[in-house]
Amino acid sequence: AQKITQTQPGMFVQEKEAVTLDCTYDTSDQSYGLFWYKQPSSGEMIFLIYQGSYDEQNATEGRYSLNFQKARKSANLVISASQLGDSAMYFCAMRYSLDTGRRALTFGSGTRLQVQP
Amino acid sequence: NAGVTQTPKFQVLKTGQSMTLQCAQDMNHNSMYWYRQDPGMGLRLIYYSASEGTTDKGEVPNGYNVSRLNKREFSLRLESAAPSQTSVYFCASRPTGAYEQYFGPGTRLTVT
Repeated sequence: AQKITQTQPGMFVQEKEAVTLDCTYDTSDQSYGLFWYKQPSSGEMIFLIYQGSYDEQNATEGRYSLNFQKARKSANLVISASQLGDSAMYFCAMRYSLDTGRRALTFGSGTRLQVQP
Repeated sequence: NAGVTQTPKFQVLKTGQSMTLQCAQDMNHNSMYWYRQDPGMGLRLIYYSASEGTTDKGEVPNGYNVSRLNKREFSLRLESAAPSQTSVYFCASRPTGAYEQYFGPGTRLTVT
């Protein structure tokens, strides 16, 4: 079974500080991928960062980095130097195999981040 | 380049009515997806199409049908809407060889 767990329903962070959003996963696939998406109050889904299960280096994209610990099955998102515009819902997702062998995404329940001035 | 577009943005249906949600992408992507997002939850996959003429069921396909009309368009049909189908519906597409999915703006559907 494929499952993503985000245990933090809500988080607060002061502007300019760093914040870590937790994500753990469970999968029977040997090859998989982990994603983070941002959903602002306007509702669209914005891709932030991707980590492949065989990637040796942690992924980074600007102020976003993914702390991938394969043995612990965790893929935490770190946002450095938080900005007011970072206030949003954040979803962790995993690419997994359907019965047909094709790949799809499964999402966690999300973490609402609020950045305070 | 409009990306992924969805129509309508909002819809209210009565129980038992039918409707089709439209999705189109102009990025020449092969793969397209339909998800639903219920309050307080992440997105769940309804159906997936790897290419024109092929569709696969996702986690929650019951009560829905899909049609991949051509490479650009992937529609989702509710034949007999139920209150449990009240949700926000997202369409997404993905280019071959890439992992990232590009999402449309969503359709907010209410079934009374």
